[in-house]
Amino acid sequence: SQQGEEDPQALSIQEGENATMNCSYKTSINNLQWYRQNSGRGLVHLILIRSNEREKHSGRLRVTLDTSKKSSSLLITASRAADTASYFCATDGGNTGFQKLVFGTGTRLLVSP
Amino acid sequence: NAGVTQTPKFQVLKTGQSMTLQCAQDMNHEYMSWYRQDPGMGLRLIHYSVGAGITDQGEVPNGYNVSRSTTEDFPLRLLSAAPSQTSVYFCASSRPTGRTEAFFGQGTRLTVV
Repeated sequence: SQQGEEDPQALSIQEGENATMNCSYKTSINNLQWYRQNSGRGLVHLILIRSNEREKHSGRLRVTLDTSKKSSSLLITASRAADTASYFCATDGGNTGFQKLVFGTGTRLLVSP
Repeated sequence: NAGVTQTPKFQVLKTGQSMTLQCAQDMNHEYMSWYRQDPGMGLRLIHYSVGAGITDQGEVPNGYNVSRSTTEDFPLRLLSAAPSQTSVYFCASSRPTGRTEAFFGQGTRLTVV
C-alpha cells in the first residue's frame, strides 16, 4: 500500500492551545495537501504545499514539508472548538494531477472549550 | 454552485445485490475519482477518470465498475455486493491545470448485510 501515516492518531487539547500533527509518505511528490473532515461530512481542502516549498502559512495554519524525510507537519495555532475534526494529508504520488491522491491515515483532533 | 453531489447518502444492501452510486459535478472538471474510507484508514482510491470515455483502476478496484460517458457524471457500480464493501464512499473532482485542490462530495454510507 502506498498509504501514508499520520501521528498522532488522536489529539485532545484545550481551546487556545496549538495542535501539531505529522504526516509521512512513501513516494516522490509534486505537492502535498491537507484536508479536514468533520464528522459524517466530506473532505474540505485546507492548504497545499509544493515540493519546492519548505513552509507555508494560511491564517492559523502553518504547514512544513521535508522532502528528504518524506514528511510534513500541520500546525493549527490558537485552536477553537470548531477545529474539532479529522485531518488528513494527501499526496499526488508524483502524478501531474489530483486524480490519484494518496491519503494518510488521519489525525482526530478534539478541541475542548 | 452545487460542486460535487453524491446520491444516495445512505444505503443498505443485501449480499449479492447490485447498485450504482451516483456522482455528479457542475464545475466542468476533467478529473474525477472514487475513494472508500474505512475506520482507522485514510481514503483509498477505487477508480479514477481523466476525461469522458477514459477510466482506470486505483488501489482497490475489485468488485467495482465505473464508466464516464459525460464530463459531469462518474457513477460507481457494485455488481454483487459483499460485506467487505461496507464503507463510506467519496467522489472527488479536480481540474488538470491551475489546480490547487480536489473537491469532494458529502459521501455515501453503504452497509452490506
